[in-house]
Amino acid sequence: SQQGEEDPQALSIQEGENATMNCSYKTSINNLQWYRQNSGRGLVHLILIRSNEREKHSGRLRVTLDTSKKSSSLLITASRAADTASYFCATQHGGGGADGLTFGKGTHLIIQP
Amino acid sequence: NAGVTQTPKFRVLKTGQSMTLLCAQDMNHEYMYWYRQDPGMGLRLIHYSVGEGTTAKGEVPDGYNVSRLKKQNFLLGLESAAPSQTSVYFCASSYTGGGGYTFGSGTRLTVV
Repeated sequence: SQQGEEDPQALSIQEGENATMNCSYKTSINNLQWYRQNSGRGLVHLILIRSNEREKHSGRLRVTLDTSKKSSSLLITASRAADTASYFCATQHGGGGADGLTFGKGTHLIIQP
Repeated sequence: NAGVTQTPKFRVLKTGQSMTLLCAQDMNHEYMYWYRQDPGMGLRLIHYSVGEGTTAKGEVPDGYNVSRLKKQNFLLGLESAAPSQTSVYFCASSYTGGGGYTFGSGTRLTVV
Protein backbone atom coordinates (compact mmCIF):
# COMPACT_ATOMS: atom_id res chain seq x y z
CA SER A 1 0.00 0.00 0.00
CA GLN A 2 1.17 3.52 -0.76
CA GLN A 3 2.74 5.27 2.21
CA GLY A 4 3.54 8.72 0.88
CA GLU A 5 1.01 10.90 -0.85
CA GLU A 6 2.23 13.88 -2.82
CA ASP A 7 0.28 17.06 -3.24
CA PRO A 8 -0.48 18.50 -5.70
CA GLN A 9 -0.70 15.75 -8.33
CA ALA A 10 0.27 18.26 -11.00
CA LEU A 11 1.83 21.73 -10.90
CA SER A 12 2.52 24.17 -13.71
CA ILE A 13 4.57 27.33 -13.09
CA GLN A 14 6.58 29.89 -15.02
CA GLU A 15 10.34 29.57 -15.36
CA GLY A 16 12.07 31.41 -12.56
CA GLU A 17 9.28 30.86 -10.03
CA ASN A 18 9.59 28.60 -7.01
CA ALA A 19 7.87 25.22 -6.93
CA THR A 20 6.65 23.58 -3.74
CA MET A 21 5.52 19.99 -3.45
CA ASN A 22 4.21 18.29 -0.35
CA CYS A 23 4.28 14.73 0.88
CA SER A 24 2.31 13.14 3.70
CA TYR A 25 2.86 9.70 5.16
CA LYS A 26 1.12 7.46 7.66
CA THR A 27 3.56 5.63 9.90
CA SER A 28 6.86 6.50 11.57
CA ILE A 29 9.94 6.65 9.38
CA ASN A 30 13.71 6.34 9.53
CA ASN A 31 14.15 8.75 6.66
CA LEU A 32 12.32 10.34 3.77
CA GLN A 33 13.76 10.75 0.30
CA TRP A 34 12.86 12.69 -2.82
CA TYR A 35 13.41 11.45 -6.36
CA ARG A 36 13.01 12.98 -9.80
CA GLN A 37 11.87 11.09 -12.88
CA ASN A 38 12.11 12.55 -16.35
CA SER A 39 9.67 11.20 -18.91
CA GLY A 40 10.60 7.66 -19.95
CA ARG A 41 13.60 7.50 -17.65
CA GLY A 42 14.57 5.97 -14.33
CA LEU A 43 14.35 7.74 -11.00
CA VAL A 44 17.18 9.91 -9.77
CA HIS A 45 17.85 10.39 -6.07
CA LEU A 46 17.71 14.06 -5.06
CA ILE A 47 17.92 14.32 -1.29
CA LEU A 48 17.49 12.30 1.90
CA ILE A 49 16.34 13.72 5.22
CA ARG A 50 16.51 11.67 8.40
CA SER A 51 13.76 11.55 10.99
CA ASN A 52 15.81 13.63 13.45
CA GLU A 53 16.41 16.40 10.90
CA ARG A 54 14.02 19.26 10.18
CA GLU A 55 15.52 20.88 7.09
CA LYS A 56 18.07 20.08 4.45
CA HIS A 57 19.45 21.93 1.45
CA SER A 58 21.08 20.81 -1.77
CA GLY A 59 21.71 23.46 -4.40
CA ARG A 60 18.32 24.89 -5.39
CA LEU A 61 16.49 22.22 -3.38
CA ARG A 62 15.18 22.66 0.13
CA VAL A 63 13.46 19.86 1.99
CA THR A 64 11.65 20.14 5.29
CA LEU A 65 10.34 17.37 7.50
CA ASP A 66 7.72 17.64 10.23
CA THR A 67 7.45 14.27 11.95
CA SER A 68 4.66 15.49 14.25
CA LYS A 69 2.50 16.14 11.19
CA LYS A 70 3.99 13.26 9.21
CA SER A 71 4.70 15.54 6.29
CA SER A 72 7.53 16.83 4.15
CA SER A 73 7.89 19.50 1.52
CA LEU A 74 10.26 19.93 -1.41
CA LEU A 75 11.00 23.46 -2.59
CA ILE A 76 12.73 24.08 -5.89
CA THR A 77 13.87 27.68 -6.17
CA ALA A 78 14.37 29.64 -9.38
CA SER A 79 12.87 26.88 -11.52
CA ARG A 80 14.25 26.04 -14.96
CA ALA A 81 12.72 24.27 -17.95
CA ALA A 82 14.99 21.32 -17.19
CA ASP A 83 13.20 20.86 -13.85
CA THR A 84 10.13 19.62 -15.73
CA ALA A 85 9.68 16.07 -14.40
CA SER A 86 7.74 13.96 -11.93
CA TYR A 87 8.84 14.15 -8.32
CA PHE A 88 8.32 11.33 -5.84
CA CYS A 89 8.70 11.15 -2.12
CA ALA A 90 9.70 7.81 -0.64
CA THR A 91 9.73 6.72 2.98
CA GLN A 92 11.98 4.26 4.73
CA HIS A 93 10.80 2.52 7.83
CA GLY A 94 12.20 0.38 10.64
CA GLY A 95 14.38 -2.73 10.44
CA GLY A 96 17.36 -0.92 9.00
CA GLY A 97 15.41 0.04 5.92
CA ALA A 98 16.34 -3.18 4.17
CA ASP A 99 12.78 -3.92 3.15
CA GLY A 100 12.61 -1.20 0.57
CA LEU A 101 11.35 2.32 0.08
CA THR A 102 7.63 3.04 -0.15
CA PHE A 103 6.84 5.55 -2.88
CA GLY A 104 4.03 8.01 -3.34
CA LYS A 105 2.25 8.55 -6.63
CA GLY A 106 4.24 11.63 -7.54
CA THR A 107 3.80 15.28 -8.48
CA HIS A 108 4.10 16.11 -12.16
CA LEU A 109 5.87 19.48 -12.45
CA ILE A 110 5.79 21.50 -15.65
CA ILE A 111 7.96 24.58 -16.01
CA GLN A 112 6.62 26.94 -18.66
CA PRO A 113 9.33 28.88 -20.53
CA ASN B 1 30.95 3.43 -14.15
CA ALA B 2 27.67 2.18 -15.65
CA GLY B 3 25.63 2.17 -12.40
CA VAL B 4 22.53 -0.01 -12.77
CA THR B 5 21.89 -1.63 -16.14
CA GLN B 6 18.63 -3.30 -17.08
CA THR B 7 18.07 -5.59 -20.04
CA PRO B 8 16.02 -5.69 -22.14
CA LYS B 9 14.64 -2.16 -22.44
CA PHE B 10 11.44 -3.23 -24.22
CA ARG B 11 9.64 -6.54 -24.58
CA VAL B 12 6.29 -7.78 -25.82
CA LEU B 13 5.10 -11.14 -24.53
CA LYS B 14 2.09 -13.26 -25.26
CA THR B 15 -0.04 -14.40 -22.35
CA GLY B 16 1.48 -17.51 -20.82
CA GLN B 17 5.00 -16.93 -22.07
CA SER B 18 7.92 -16.66 -19.69
CA MET B 19 10.85 -14.29 -19.55
CA THR B 20 13.67 -13.06 -17.33
CA LEU B 21 14.63 -9.46 -16.72
CA LEU B 22 18.25 -8.87 -15.85
CA CYS B 23 19.58 -6.19 -13.54
CA ALA B 24 23.31 -5.64 -13.16
CA GLN B 25 25.11 -3.14 -10.93
CA ASP B 26 28.80 -2.36 -10.77
CA MET B 27 28.85 -0.36 -7.53
CA ASN B 28 29.36 -3.30 -5.14
CA HIS B 29 25.96 -2.61 -3.57
CA GLU B 30 24.58 -5.15 -1.14
CA TYR B 31 20.89 -4.30 -1.55
CA MET B 32 18.91 -4.71 -4.76
CA TYR B 33 15.24 -4.18 -5.50
CA TRP B 34 12.67 -4.75 -8.23
CA TYR B 35 9.79 -2.30 -8.56
CA ARG B 36 6.95 -1.96 -11.02
CA GLN B 37 5.47 1.37 -12.06
CA ASP B 38 1.93 1.65 -13.31
CA PRO B 39 0.09 4.83 -14.34
CA GLY B 40 -1.34 6.59 -11.31
CA MET B 41 0.09 3.99 -8.92
CA GLY B 42 3.61 5.16 -8.23
CA LEU B 43 6.22 2.45 -7.69
CA ARG B 44 5.44 -0.79 -5.90
CA LEU B 45 8.06 -3.19 -4.56
CA ILE B 46 7.99 -6.69 -6.04
CA HIS B 47 10.99 -8.45 -4.47
CA TYR B 48 14.25 -7.40 -2.90
CA SER B 49 17.59 -8.81 -1.82
CA VAL B 50 19.84 -7.82 1.06
CA GLY B 51 22.85 -9.72 -0.23
CA GLU B 52 24.13 -12.47 -2.50
CA GLY B 53 22.00 -15.60 -2.18
CA THR B 54 19.14 -13.85 -0.34
CA THR B 55 15.72 -12.75 -1.60
CA ALA B 56 12.52 -11.55 0.04
CA LYS B 57 8.98 -10.65 -1.01
CA GLY B 58 7.80 -7.09 -1.34
CA GLU B 59 4.33 -5.64 -1.66
CA VAL B 60 3.31 -7.30 -4.95
CA PRO B 61 5.30 -10.56 -5.36
CA ASP B 62 2.65 -12.82 -6.89
CA GLY B 63 3.49 -14.07 -10.38
CA TYR B 64 7.19 -13.21 -10.07
CA ASN B 65 10.31 -14.99 -8.93
CA VAL B 66 13.80 -13.66 -8.33
CA SER B 67 17.34 -14.89 -7.90
CA ARG B 68 20.56 -13.29 -6.69
CA LEU B 69 23.27 -15.86 -7.43
CA LYS B 70 25.92 -13.17 -7.85
CA LYS B 71 26.20 -9.98 -5.87
CA GLN B 72 26.11 -7.79 -8.94
CA ASN B 73 23.08 -9.40 -10.60
CA PHE B 74 19.42 -9.56 -9.64
CA LEU B 75 17.09 -11.45 -11.96
CA LEU B 76 13.31 -11.08 -12.13
CA GLY B 77 11.37 -13.93 -13.72
CA LEU B 78 7.84 -14.17 -15.00
CA GLU B 79 6.89 -17.84 -15.35
CA SER B 80 3.53 -17.36 -17.07
CA ALA B 81 2.95 -13.78 -18.13
CA ALA B 82 -0.49 -12.20 -17.70
CA PRO B 83 -1.85 -8.92 -19.13
CA SER B 84 -1.93 -7.54 -15.55
CA GLN B 85 1.87 -7.70 -15.60
CA THR B 86 2.04 -5.08 -18.34
CA SER B 87 4.10 -2.38 -16.66
CA VAL B 88 7.42 -0.62 -16.49
CA TYR B 89 9.88 -2.50 -14.31
CA PHE B 90 12.68 -0.75 -12.46
CA CYS B 91 15.64 -2.25 -10.72
CA ALA B 92 17.43 -0.31 -7.99
CA SER B 93 20.39 -0.86 -5.73
CA SER B 94 21.80 0.71 -2.59
CA TYR B 95 24.99 0.32 -0.55
CA THR B 96 23.05 0.18 2.69
CA GLY B 97 19.37 -0.36 3.35
CA GLY B 98 19.09 3.11 4.83
CA GLY B 99 20.49 5.21 2.01
CA GLY B 100 19.49 6.52 -1.39
CA TYR B 101 18.83 4.19 -4.29
CA THR B 102 20.38 4.11 -7.76
CA PHE B 103 17.82 3.16 -10.37
CA GLY B 104 18.15 1.57 -13.77
CA SER B 105 16.45 3.07 -16.80
CA GLY B 106 13.62 0.54 -16.78
CA THR B 107 12.13 -2.26 -18.86
CA ARG B 108 8.83 -1.59 -20.57
CA LEU B 109 6.92 -4.88 -20.73
CA THR B 110 3.68 -5.41 -22.61
CA VAL B 111 1.76 -8.67 -22.25
CA VAL B 112 -0.85 -9.26 -24.96
